[in-house]
Amino acid sequence: NAGVMQNPRHLVRRRGQEARLRCSPMKGHSHVYWYRQLPEEGLKFMVYLQKENIIDESGMPKERFSAEFPKEGPSILRIQQVVRGDSAAYFCASSLVGVEQYFGPGTRLTVT
Amino acid sequence: KNEVEQSPQNLTAQEGEFITINCSYSVGISALHWLQQHPGGGIVSLFMLSSGKKKHGRLIATINIQEKHSSLHITASHPRDSAVYICAVRSPGETSGSRLTFGEGTQLTVNP
Repeated sequence: NAGVMQNPRHLVRRRGQEARLRCSPMKGHSHVYWYRQLPEEGLKFMVYLQKENIIDESGMPKERFSAEFPKEGPSILRIQQVVRGDSAAYFCASSLVGVEQYFGPGTRLTVT
Repeated sequence: KNEVEQSPQNLTAQEGEFITINCSYSVGISALHWLQQHPGGGIVSLFMLSSGKKKHGRLIATINIQEKHSSLHITASHPRDSAVYICAVRSPGETSGSRLTFGEGTQLTVNP
């Protein structure tokens, strides 16, 4: 049973470009969470999704960030018009309802 | 003040020593997680607990709900245990029920 998969593992974008981060949950998991780890800081919750629904987006920046988890395919975290402050590691986790979350390897975004 | 506080921030030990990392939280929770982040950045879930004590190999996690405190113990520590250990709490409630709030992490270095 494959674990949580994220791609790309490393992503370099110039200021103003768009970044798309993908997360494929573990087989059978319908709950996906995105977390961000800024350099030298702890992990912070961004958004919690179930298939085709955003359940809690209270940790998402108000502008430029969006997330989706379609009926088919991976969850996508999209960052428009990236800025240097978006450089971070973005982790996805998945779970069955109410139980342990399994983390992906992360995508390290560098904005130049 | 952070909702989740860990101590110590940094810990250096000699191989074979008994290690304790502490976590205190100030909010109501439905569960507490201990995570391990490897030097390469990947995150592994070690424990999820809501009461009592759990043991896995050389790792032991305890939680005291009344005192809002948890400890992670490592017996017979080994250099391969060197990592960042992160405490995270899961909030109760429907929409926020699965979001995790993280401590800042404890950097553990075990020297041979």
